[in-house]
Amino acid sequence: DTGVSQDPRHKITKRGQNVTFRCDPISEHNRLYWYRQTLGQGPEFLTYFQNEAQLEKSRLLSDRFSAERPKGSFSTLEIQRTEQGDSAMYLCASSINTVRTQYFGPGTRLLVL
Amino acid sequence: LAKTTQPVSMDSYEGQEVNITCSHNNIATNDYITWYQQFPSQGPRFIIQGYKTKVTNEVASLFIPADRKSSTLSLPRVSLSDTAVYYCLVGAGYNNNDMRFGAGTRLTVKP
Repeated sequence: DTGVSQDPRHKITKRGQNVTFRCDPISEHNRLYWYRQTLGQGPEFLTYFQNEAQLEKSRLLSDRFSAERPKGSFSTLEIQRTEQGDSAMYLCASSINTVRTQYFGPGTRLLVL
Repeated sequence: LAKTTQPVSMDSYEGQEVNITCSHNNIATNDYITWYQQFPSQGPRFIIQGYKTKVTNEVASLFIPADRKSSTLSLPRVSLSDTAVYYCLVGAGYNNNDMRFGAGTRLTVKP
């Protein structure tokens, strides 16, 4: 296994458009996490799944953000009606059972014009 | 929720040992201490984790005193490629509410 992968790596969109990012975790990992990171800051937790169940979503930034993990494998993060303030790096991570040791993907860099 | 405090930045030279200290005065009994490294435009990478005393792996050592209110990440003989941001996290790991990334320590290694 080559680790956590994310697609696309870069996304440029216009304000008001919807975007969707995909994350493929390490295959045996049952937990999957989404973070947002802006310049000069540490990753900011958004939501996480254990298998297909979304166990924490109160930290999603607004109701324009949603995430799914339909079969407990890959996950998608969607941002509707993007705003310039959504420009950031979106990181995905996975782990087995505990959040103490997470393995991160390379991230998707979003630029909203 | 154990909050952590780290220096904002540190400078070092190639070949030196670098020690980055993290303060976590409110650490709880079940909390572990975990360090991540992040290079520009990449996701964080797990470096080391410990509960007490000393932990060593091929990358770094982690020193934790008996009171566990602080910890020190030690990088032996750094090279230019160790220039990165280093994050200290403290938590039991049951859920994401108890493990948060701060701003980290930006280490710059100079030739």
